[in-house]
Amino acid sequence: DIQMTQSPSSLSASVGDRVTITCRASQSISNYLNWYQQKPGKAPKLLIYAAYTLQSGVPSRFSGSGSGTDFTLTISSLQPEDFATYYCQQSYSIRGLTFGGGTRVEI
Amino acid sequence: EVQLLDSGGDLVQPGGSLRLSCAASGFTFTNYAMNWVRQAPGKGLEWVSVISGSGGSTDYADSVKGRFTISRDNSKNTLYLQMNNLRAEDTAVYFCAKDRGPYGDHPIFDYWGQGTLVPVSS
Repeated sequence: DIQMTQSPSSLSASVGDRVTITCRASQSISNYLNWYQQKPGKAPKLLIYAAYTLQSGVPSRFSGSGSGTDFTLTISSLQPEDFATYYCQQSYSIRGLTFGGGTRVEI
Repeated sequence: EVQLLDSGGDLVQPGGSLRLSCAASGFTFTNYAMNWVRQAPGKGLEWVSVISGSGGSTDYADSVKGRFTISRDNSKNTLYLQMNNLRAEDTAVYFCAKDRGPYGDHPIFDYWGQGTLVPVSS
């Protein structure tokens, strides 16, 4: 299976900060990388798919980049509603589909 | 508006069985692959299973292969997960998740149910 390693596992930030989360794949996955946001007690929400395509309705302060093995999720100006846990997911193959371990963004 | 409503979660003993359901609305159900994803308490996300829009193709995570069966009733717009021989390590919130496209090798989960809790304990 392809292993997905996210860093950091948690971070503290303030409203207005620029936040960057990284995700590294154990092998090349081209641009088959998706990002989700999950708030406590809620279902995950798709933010970005195919490495950099913003899902409809997602604010433009979220952006994604990368290809191959290294990917980044950036929040350009952190808002109060952005405090959550973020997961990357490789969609290179349905077989052994895997998520990263998550990054908790807190105040 | 796309809606997915998970149900069926309940306390079950090790070795027991349970069937989860996911009622879908707001989209043409038969056109999309559907998945189950689970999350153990305080842990990350784990993909469990996928089924094609027609129901003719399925796949499973190794951790549940041979014990879980995914199915769908397209006349009722409902997805199912039959779970047999449950283990303590199957304890999790189970989410149904809609694929952004038809069954394929590059799944993207664009809508999720609210989740249903399955505790496995004696």
